[in-house]
Amino acid sequence: SYVLTQPPSVSVAPGQTARITCGGNNIGSKSVHWYQQKPGQAPVLVVYDDSDRPSGIPERFSGSNSGNTATLTISRVEAGDEADYYCQVWDSSSDHYVFGTGTKVTVL
Amino acid sequence: QVQLVQSGAEVKKPGASVKVSCKASGYTFTSYDINWVRQATGQGLEWMGWMNPNSGNTGYAQKFQGRVTMTRNTSISTAYMELSSLRSEDTAVYYCAVSDCSGGSCYLDYWGQGTLVTVSS
Repeated sequence: SYVLTQPPSVSVAPGQTARITCGGNNIGSKSVHWYQQKPGQAPVLVVYDDSDRPSGIPERFSGSNSGNTATLTISRVEAGDEADYYCQVWDSSSDHYVFGTGTKVTVL
Repeated sequence: QVQLVQSGAEVKKPGASVKVSCKASGYTFTSYDINWVRQATGQGLEWMGWMNPNSGNTGYAQKFQGRVTMTRNTSISTAYMELSSLRSEDTAVYYCAVSDCSGGSCYLDYWGQGTLVTVSS
């Protein structure tokens, strides 16, 4: 089955840029989606199809995908961005959703 | 606006079954698949399966094959997820979520609030 690997944690100072990676075999050939989950809340979609944002998501959230790594970038980080972030792909060979291992973003 | 409202918390004994409901509103229920995702305390997201509310067709993650059943009642726009032969490792928050596959890839753009299922003797 397809595996997505994320770093367990990323720390960033307010106003700086956070980059969260999602590694997978030839992930660049797939569409990657990203979710933000704050404690005690359901996940929220923040980026879909590699780099598109749902309505209401700030432009500070952006995504890219190439080769074996997809990246979620959070610019001008704010305290409210502190959360767990998960990448996800649709594995068409198995008709299964696959989630990454998750990354906890801490704002220093 | 799209809303998914799930049933309340459950406590079950090992070996029992649990059935969680997910009532949809704000869109045409039969137009989008409903998925179920669970999350054990302090752990990541785990996809369990999908159901097409129009046809009733389902697809389950291999881990849950034989133990999970996803159904719906279109007259009340409600989806259900039943998990049987519960064990302590099934203690988790269970989420329903609507998927969008219009672009060729699928993602989950609306989520329910989650239902805590506790399995304990």
